[in-house]
Formats: sequence, C-alpha cells, structure tokens
Amino acid sequence: AQSVAQPEDQVNVAEGNPLTVKCTYSVSGNPYLFWYVQYPNRGLQFLLKYITGDNLVKGSYGFEAEFNKSQTSFHLKKPSALVSDSALYFCAVREGGNQGGKLIFGQGTELSVKP
Amino acid sequence: SAVISQKPSRDICQRGTSLTIQCQVDSQVTMMFWYRQQPGQSLTLIATANQGSEATYESGFVIDKFPISRPNLTFSTLTVSNMSPEDSSIYLCSVARDSEVTEAFFGQGTRLTVV
Repeated sequence: AQSVAQPEDQVNVAEGNPLTVKCTYSVSGNPYLFWYVQYPNRGLQFLLKYITGDNLVKGSYGFEAEFNKSQTSFHLKKPSALVSDSALYFCAVREGGNQGGKLIFGQGTELSVKP
Repeated sequence: SAVISQKPSRDICQRGTSLTIQCQVDSQVTMMFWYRQQPGQSLTLIATANQGSEATYESGFVIDKFPISRPNLTFSTLTVSNMSPEDSSIYLCSVARDSEVTEAFFGQGTRLTVV
C-alpha cells in the first residue's frame, strides 16, 4: 500500500533563511508526488508535482522540491522564507497505474516563519 | 486549473440530522473525490464519486453514512447522515482531469460542527 510520511509536525524558520519541509514516501510502483499548502480556513492549493524527468521540480511562490529515488524522499524547499509562507504543508502521493487517481496525504507540517 | 464552488462553507447542525454538501466545477472533470479533514489532522479520502454509478468508498466509510451523487461531469454532492459530534470536520471536494499525472484541485471546504 502507498503511504507518505512527514516526520516533522512543525518547522520554525527565520524570515530570509532557507526552509526545508521533509517528506518520504512508500509505493510499489512509480510514484507521482505532490505538495499542497493550506492557509487557515482555506482549501488546499497546489504547489508543485513530480511525475518524471528532472529530479528538481520548481513550483509556485518560489518553492521547489527534490525527488530522491534512493532515499524515497521528496523534500520541499525554498531558498529564502517569507512570513507569508507560514501555513500547513501537505505532501501527497499517487501511485502510477490503475489506482483510480486518489491521493494519499502525509500528516502535514506546520511551517512558521518569524520576522 | 479548475474553479470549484463548494456549498455551504460552514454549518452548525444538530446531532441526528443530515447535511448535504454541494460541489460545482466550472468545467468537466474526469475524477471527483470527497475528503474529510478532522480537527488538527490530515486529509482522509472518503470516496471517489463516479458519474452515473455508485461511488467507490474507502475502508471505514459506507454509503449509508456518506451517500454521494454525481449526476454529471461537473457536479457532485456528499451527504453526512445521522450526524454525531464525531462527524465535526472539514469536508473537501477535489477534482482531477485524469487519474494519474495531473494535479488535483480542491474546493474551499465545508466546516461542519455537530452539536
């Protein structure tokens, strides 16, 4: 069965510093990986995805993520954090093949960026 | 992208009653899903809404408790039946244009409180 783990419940970063939000996955086939962000009282917003190709994926709002097959990881990164990046971040996986398209989500990581 | 309108945005309901949540998409989509996000937790897939046929439910969710309709490619409803305080959650509609490589988009969610 496919699964996703976000080992950190919370990440604290000072504004202007680089940030990393960690994600590891487990699938039996090819992984399709996604990052979403949720602001308070809002739905989820898509940030970026990895399907195939370059291991470094660039997305919205200056975020990027690095796919590492050997470590089964897909960490979210940003070179310089903004206070407005403070939100709840979810990593998700969809397994390739006839799996019906459903996403499996990690437990979420609360990112707090302080001025 | 897809614009998803979810109604109501929030509601407070008495235990034992039922609430129907509507999800309207601005264009035809292949896949529609319903998720539940319990307080402080991640998203859990309730079911995949299938056009013109019965929804496909995930383990732990049953049709009698969460009946779903999908009469066409742009609209779906989720009913939370015979509610109890444990049903207090955010319910999110999600759509995707295919089952694998495209990202899913989410409605703003329905915040349900059962008293």
